[in-house]
Amino acid sequence: QSVLTQPPSVSGAPGQRVTISCTGSSSNIGAGYDVHWYQQLPGTAPKLLMYSNTNRPSGVPDRFSGSKSGSSASLAITGLQAEDEADYFCQSYDSSLSGWVFGGGTKVTVL
Amino acid sequence: EVQLVQSGPEVKKPGESLKISCKGSRDTFTNYWIAWVRHMPGRGLEWMGIIYPGDSDTRYSPSFQGQVTISADKSISTAYLQWSSLRASDSAIYYCARIVGYCNSPTCPNYFDPWGQGSLVTVSS
Repeated sequence: QSVLTQPPSVSGAPGQRVTISCTGSSSNIGAGYDVHWYQQLPGTAPKLLMYSNTNRPSGVPDRFSGSKSGSSASLAITGLQAEDEADYFCQSYDSSLSGWVFGGGTKVTVL
Repeated sequence: EVQLVQSGPEVKKPGESLKISCKGSRDTFTNYWIAWVRHMPGRGLEWMGIIYPGDSDTRYSPSFQGQVTISADKSISTAYLQWSSLRASDSAIYYCARIVGYCNSPTCPNYFDPWGQGSLVTVSS
């Protein structure tokens, strides 16, 4: 059972918009800790996709966007492409646990 | 480009010992904390512990305290994760990752970048 809650899967047709939610609590996201997102393509290591809620690392397409409100955060993918098919994990820090917490991951399927 | 390169896949028997490695740059191992993260199918990602190679300050997740040992050799920019007696339940992919902006405060970002390519550990009799 992961500390952060994500939907197990989302899907969409090419070109559509999908969103992935990440729900935490008052000791992590709700306490003001940043939310970060990682993309894990099949057979590869996780790769930073979004940091500090809304910031894209160099090289990440602008069709990926992030937001945070209260104890939750979201990752949106607009103009879904076949290459976006991957697992996506959210991550934050938890003051009660004094450590990092992750969501269980969301598998994005492009129909 | 910042990179972390991990050691290759391992197949071990229960009760055996194992030490896997993660090599990076001198800058990474001088100025950053390094984390170890476990990924088990169906269980998501779990942080195991962290080390600051500069002075070998090490901190463990309560879930892994006493189960593994994290160490580092700053002179060769390498971190290690080791087990003294493996169990079948240790079968997983283990990642090392550089921590960006670590502190126990919302003012610090606390994220992982980059990650190593992962080391698959299989424990089976």
